[in-house]
Amino acid sequence: NAGVTQTPKFQVLKTGQSMTLQCAQDMNHNSMYWYRQDPGMGLRLIYYSASEGTTDKGEVPNGYNVSRLNKREFSLRLESAAPSQTSVYFCASSAREGTYEQYFGPGTRLTVT
Amino acid sequence: DAKTTQPPSMDCAEGRAANLPCNHSTISGNEYVYWYRQIHSQGPQYIIHGLKNNETNEMASLIITEDRKSSTLILPHATLRDTAVYYCIVRAVGETSGSRLTFGEGTQLTVNP
Repeated sequence: NAGVTQTPKFQVLKTGQSMTLQCAQDMNHNSMYWYRQDPGMGLRLIYYSASEGTTDKGEVPNGYNVSRLNKREFSLRLESAAPSQTSVYFCASSAREGTYEQYFGPGTRLTVT
Repeated sequence: DAKTTQPPSMDCAEGRAANLPCNHSTISGNEYVYWYRQIHSQGPQYIIHGLKNNETNEMASLIITEDRKSSTLILPHATLRDTAVYYCIVRAVGETSGSRLTFGEGTQLTVNP
């Protein structure tokens, strides 16, 4: 039981490049989330998926897109990376929407130059 | 969401109990107290949550005062691996607005050998 896994662990992009961050959970959870964490800014919700087949914007969705591929997988795409997207990205999951018992992955450290 | 107040830092000797306080004097009747921690460079980790009764799991115990205006997270036998920032948050379960987690400043717990 791996919990929540994320790939890659580290990534360096040049401005304008695109990439997809992958997330998978093996806990049969319905809801999944993407957060970013910047020094001094705390966690900010980018997008979430309350259940398979649905996605919704969070607090800071601009510049990102998501796909809930199936119940296990939730990916985050940066179409045209900008230096302001340099951050640590965490994926999380919970049994259902409306609960704050969330389980986080190890994070992806992204640098955009 | 009710505001929480935590001391910025605490020290604890290895093997001793760590008692981390949290004030949430404006908590509403339907709001739960959640505790998370974040070890440096890792994803946040859910610890425990409760409404009004004391709760215990394999990681910690949560003691909530009778008036629910404060709580204490207890790590019964702290180890060096418990060194982390601990966050207390208050949320009403069941709200379907993305279940957004936000962390305040938290308490930096340092466990000393």
